Amino acid sequence: DQQVKQNSPSLSVQEGRISILNCDYTNSMFDYFLWYKKYPAEGPTFLISISSIKDKNEDGRFTVFLNKSAKHLSLHIVPSQPGDSAVYFCAASEVTNAGKSTFGDGTTLTVKP
Amino acid sequence: KAGVTQTPRYLIKTRGQQVTLSCSPISGHRSVSWYQQTPGQGLQFLFEYFSETQRNKGNFPGRFSGRQFSNSRSEMNVSTLELGDSALYLCASSLTASMNTEAFFGQGTRLTVV
Repeated sequence: DQQVKQNSPSLSVQEGRISILNCDYTNSMFDYFLWYKKYPAEGPTFLISISSIKDKNEDGRFTVFLNKSAKHLSLHIVPSQPGDSAVYFCAASEVTNAGKSTFGDGTTLTVKP
Repeated sequence: KAGVTQTPRYLIKTRGQQVTLSCSPISGHRSVSWYQQTPGQGLQFLFEYFSETQRNKGNFPGRFSGRQFSNSRSEMNVSTLELGDSALYLCASSLTASMNTEAFFGQGTRLTVV
């Protein structure tokens, strides 16, 4: 039973446009959500996070939206740049198990110049 | 400050052998988690250590084990290797395990079992 799902394995957008990456979860105990970016041959790097007490968090070109009732979160990248091309992982954790994150399978984003 | 260091970066082992992977967390970080990444499978949680104690364990067989030392460095061991154990093994460190924080990942150890 996969508790965190990223249903789109890949996404391709034009430079300058918006990229929207989606993530769904099933465990209602999750209360902290993170997005990581991963380049080939490197470990994932933290991008942005959101606590369940919020519905939006913004950091520069990156915004994460959380819809708790739908158990859905999304990452918006505006404007998209070619350097954003990478695999994006959504992850979720519970405050009682903060050291354990459950990851989605990732979405490969390609931003075309 | 130095990031998370994993050694070795690449490893080739034969089926049936055992292997030990090492992870040095960021200085001051006390929580270390291990993940396995296989193609198309995302990151699967193996276990998490905090202050030399295993706090969480994922759904992996007993062949997978780990430990953490007093300096927070961690090792994971896989015994009786199988072909399916070929994967990228990632270690992540975080400041504490008592609150939600982001994890900092190492570059991983690419294990190939032949």
